[in-house]
Amino acid sequence: EAGVTQFPSHSVIEKGQTVTLRCDPISGHDNLYWYRRVMGKEIKFLLHFVKESKQDESGMPNNRFLAERTGGTYSTLKVQPAELEDSGVYFCASSQVQAGPMDTQYFGPGTRLTVL
Amino acid sequence: AQSVAQPEDQVNVAEGNPLTVKCTYSVSGNPYLFWYVQYPNRGLQFLLKYITGDNLVKGSYGFEAEFNKSQTSFHLKKPSALVSDSALYFCAVRDTSHYGGSQGNLIFGKGTKLSVKP
Repeated sequence: EAGVTQFPSHSVIEKGQTVTLRCDPISGHDNLYWYRRVMGKEIKFLLHFVKESKQDESGMPNNRFLAERTGGTYSTLKVQPAELEDSGVYFCASSQVQAGPMDTQYFGPGTRLTVL
Repeated sequence: AQSVAQPEDQVNVAEGNPLTVKCTYSVSGNPYLFWYVQYPNRGLQFLLKYITGDNLVKGSYGFEAEFNKSQTSFHLKKPSALVSDSALYFCAVRDTSHYGGSQGNLIFGKGTKLSVKP
């Protein structure tokens, strides 16, 4: 079974440009989460999808960030326009809705975003 | 507010010696606790979790963790460290403050770098 995949693995862009990150969850996982680790600090939650619906987006830093999950499969996270402080590693994770309290979130390898 | 603390930025251990990576937590309600490991240039890998039941939880790669409710701790342990265990270790607790709690997001500690020397 394939794990969570993320694309690209690394992105270098200039301030003001747009970047779109993609996450493909484990097949059959309805929960999809985005997290971010900035400058060696804690890994912080961004948002949570259940299928195509945004369950919780309380961690999104501002309206420059837009996440979508059309059709309840893969998800994209767009940053527009990118700022220097957006640099970091963006992780995606997925888990089964049916698992309830036992659910484990499985993480992808992350996308390292560098904004110059 | 719910939180996780990893008091040590780095832990150094000689190969073959036991290791402990510390984690304390603060939650309202039942704690759902997790340990993840990140090897260099890799993503987060799940090690083990505590949901309920036995206080000693066994996980991948010979790791185990002891849940202590009175001390609000969930320390990660291994009886005999390997050089290949050198990595960044994250403790996390499920955020149960929003809804239900069973599928809430994770709140992470800042991570502990484990270095195992031959």
